[in-house]
Parts: sequence; structure tokens; C-alpha cells
Amino acid sequence: GESVGLHLPTLSVQEGDNSIINCAYSNSASDYFIWYKQESGKGPQFIIDIRSNMDKRQGQRVTVLLNKTVKHLSLQIAATQPGDSAVYFCAGRTSYDKVIFGPGTSLSVIP
Amino acid sequence: KAGVTQTPRYLIKTRGQQVTLSCSPISGHRSVSWYQQTPGQGLQFLFEYFSETQRNKGNFPGRFSGRQFSNSRSEMNVSTLELGDSALYLCASSLTGSGTGELFFGEGSRLTVL
Repeated sequence: GESVGLHLPTLSVQEGDNSIINCAYSNSASDYFIWYKQESGKGPQFIIDIRSNMDKRQGQRVTVLLNKTVKHLSLQIAATQPGDSAVYFCAGRTSYDKVIFGPGTSLSVIP
Repeated sequence: KAGVTQTPRYLIKTRGQQVTLSCSPISGHRSVSWYQQTPGQGLQFLFEYFSETQRNKGNFPGRFSGRQFSNSRSEMNVSTLELGDSALYLCASSLTGSGTGELFFGEGSRLTVL
């Protein structure tokens, strides 16, 4: 079946460094991807999205890169801060218009 | 404006019982999606309702069901509870549907089955 997965379940970075969280997907027909952030005790919160007609999209301190050739996307967080510590999920829209989430990467920021 | 509200936030049930969870979406949002979140499986899609009609369904047994009311509020029901149903159940609302834009999540209902 269709899947969205992350490469690393955990990631630790030093405060001030850049973070890169990776994600792979299986369905080449997926045309819309979203990154969510989930802090402890809360529901996931939208960070940024990207459509398949784009390779890159930037937000405030975040950049999402999409490589359709290898079916891979990444979330880059610039100047990582302690408040960025959370679980990050990538999600993709399937051919049936469902949104499927990957398993999540837990980001820890070391002060 | 008010966010997505889920009730109850916590509940404990025993095997064989049934449970009903409620979700009130953001005002004006017509789509409500439900997800099950567990440590091992991440967020698993249960179903999506749009204007009182089930639009999509995940790969869960028939014990999991849902509905949406005319005011867009949604409920999900799990019958004959099993230990493996222990999870955080998340509801998300969106304006036009889960596949077309941002999902706004509630804080979830944490179900423990003993």
C-alpha cells in the first residue's frame, strides 16, 4: 500500500545549528505534502506544505525540499531553538485524496 | 476563533465495552478527519467526513465507526474494545477536505483499555 516514512526516529541537534528531517514516500502519484509539528500533550500543528509542481518552499526559519525523482522530501529548520523540540511528521496526499502520515521524528534541541 | 475541541480528553474502559468520542471542528469547517495515534504505529487514518458524508476510510475493522452531524460536529465510536485500541484519538478539521489544505488538530482523546 501507499506509505510515507521518515528516515530517523530521533534527532538531536545543538541549539543554533540547522536541523534536517528527512521523509520518503512510496506513491509517485502523491502530489501534496505537509509537515506537522507535535509538541508533548498537544495535537499536530501545521508547519509548511508543498505541492508536487514545486521543488522548494520556504517559510519562517523552515524550508521544505521535494525531490520527486527519488520520492524524498526534507524539512530544514534554521537556527534550531529549544522551542523546536517536538515530534515532526511528514504527510502526503494519496491517490484517494487521503492524507497519510509518516511515523514521526523526535527532535531534541541541546542547549 | 475557537480551535478544534475534543471530548473527553481522557477515559478508561475495559475490554468489551464501547466508547464514543466527540469532536467539534472550527466554525465553518465542513471536513472532520479522525486519526489513531500510538507509539508504534504513528498516526493512522481512520476516516473523514465532509458535510455529513463519509468521504474516505482507513484500514480499520468495522468496530470503528463515525458520523457527522449537520453542524459539522463529529463522533466516532469503537465497539467491543480491545487492549490494542488504547491510543490517542485525534480529530482534525479543515475547510475543504483533508487532501486540499491544512488540517487543524484537536488535543486528542486518550483512551486506555484495561
